[in-house]
Amino acid sequence: DSGVTQTPKHLITATGQRVTLRCSPRSGDLSVYWYQQSLDQGLQFLIQYYNGEERAKGNILERFSAQQFPDLHSELNLSSLELGDSALYFCASTGGGTDTQYFGPGTRLTVL
Amino acid sequence: EDQVTQSPEALRLQEGESSSLNCSYTVSGLRGLFWYRQDPGKGPEFLFTLYSAGEEKEKERLKATLTKKESFLHITAPKPEDSATYLCAVRDYGNNRLAFGKGNQVVVIP
Repeated sequence: DSGVTQTPKHLITATGQRVTLRCSPRSGDLSVYWYQQSLDQGLQFLIQYYNGEERAKGNILERFSAQQFPDLHSELNLSSLELGDSALYFCASTGGGTDTQYFGPGTRLTVL
Repeated sequence: EDQVTQSPEALRLQEGESSSLNCSYTVSGLRGLFWYRQDPGKGPEFLFTLYSAGEEKEKERLKATLTKKESFLHITAPKPEDSATYLCAVRDYGNNRLAFGKGNQVVVIP
């Protein structure tokens, strides 16, 4: 158990809909990272937050957005969903002087 | 842009048959190379971090090594429970993100 939690575990929705994925980092970690994992692309970095502020952006679509709240949990919002957004979404956290990213169990999103 | 290539993509081993996985990388300035293990449908589990050429780390049947261009993950006398996808990732000095390879899928047959 990495100490990073993600909810929900599974999400099934229809094209055009909007969903929110939630992540709670390890206790004391200030940085949260979001990654998308699809069969053909592997793990792709989406976005990073540090103590409530956006720090880095990767291959994140304009339909996707994220935020980190004062209690340090983070949410990833996906809107106008397309079939191709079906994937595993992971968050990871770091902190305490280490640069090792510890990953959560992921949310499996299926868009029908 | 950081690039990570892992080979072989898939590997079937008999129990006890040692082998090595390769991770080749291109990065402007290596801040760290990371190995993770991932079981199907689960999150990546951290194994090792290597920072400089010549460094080695060991954990049970796994040993990771690093050169200036590649890293190897050696699996000695594997057991069926070592079956997993092993992911390699690099981080450079320019940013905090990890750039991942597509993984080495290992199956150990009893």
